[in-house]
Amino acid sequence: AQKVTQAQTEISVVEKEDVTLDCVYETRDTTYYLFWYKQPPSGELVFLIRRNSFDEQNEISGRYSWNFQKSTSSFNFTITASQVVDSAVYFCALSERTNAGKSTFGDGTTLTVKP
Amino acid sequence: DGGITQSPKYLFRKEGQNVTLSCEQNLNHDAMYWYRQDPGQGLRLIYYSQIVNDFQKGDIAEGYSVSREKKESFPLTVTSAQKNPTAFYLCASSVPTGSYTEAFFGQGTRLTVV
Repeated sequence: AQKVTQAQTEISVVEKEDVTLDCVYETRDTTYYLFWYKQPPSGELVFLIRRNSFDEQNEISGRYSWNFQKSTSSFNFTITASQVVDSAVYFCALSERTNAGKSTFGDGTTLTVKP
Repeated sequence: DGGITQSPKYLFRKEGQNVTLSCEQNLNHDAMYWYRQDPGQGLRLIYYSQIVNDFQKGDIAEGYSVSREKKESFPLTVTSAQKNPTAFYLCASSVPTGSYTEAFFGQGTRLTVV
């Protein structure tokens, strides 16, 4: 069975601080996808990044960066110089390679960025 | 614009009633999904469909039913057998395989039993 653990339930930072959201996963599959989604107060989930299990390259997109370490089954997400607009619930998810929409989600981390 | 439309945004149901949540997509995606979200928890899969006229149970299918008569539509019925239906329901779609395989989500329906 697949499992995703986001140990941090809530994080509060002051604007411009860096913050890292942790994600640890369990799967018996050798190929899989990992995702991060953002859920603003409006409710819809916004896709942030997808990582294929074969691709362990770290990725940076503006203030966002992701660190995928297969050896520790972790896929952590860092926001640099956080902003108030980053306040949201962030979900890490794991899916089968052949059905990426069929995902197992973590319980989410609520990030609050204070001005 | 392409996307997923869920309606209504808010829904109130009396105990013992069935209610149907609508989900329509114009992304030409083959696969569609229904997830349930409870406060402080992640999303849990209710049902999914990878092709018209076919669907499979997810992790928490009891008390729910779906149909997939058209590629664009995947309605979810919350039946009276669902013991605790108050939750936030999210519909999603995706291309099952290929390079662009993230799920696209609708804005959700918040169901409250009164």
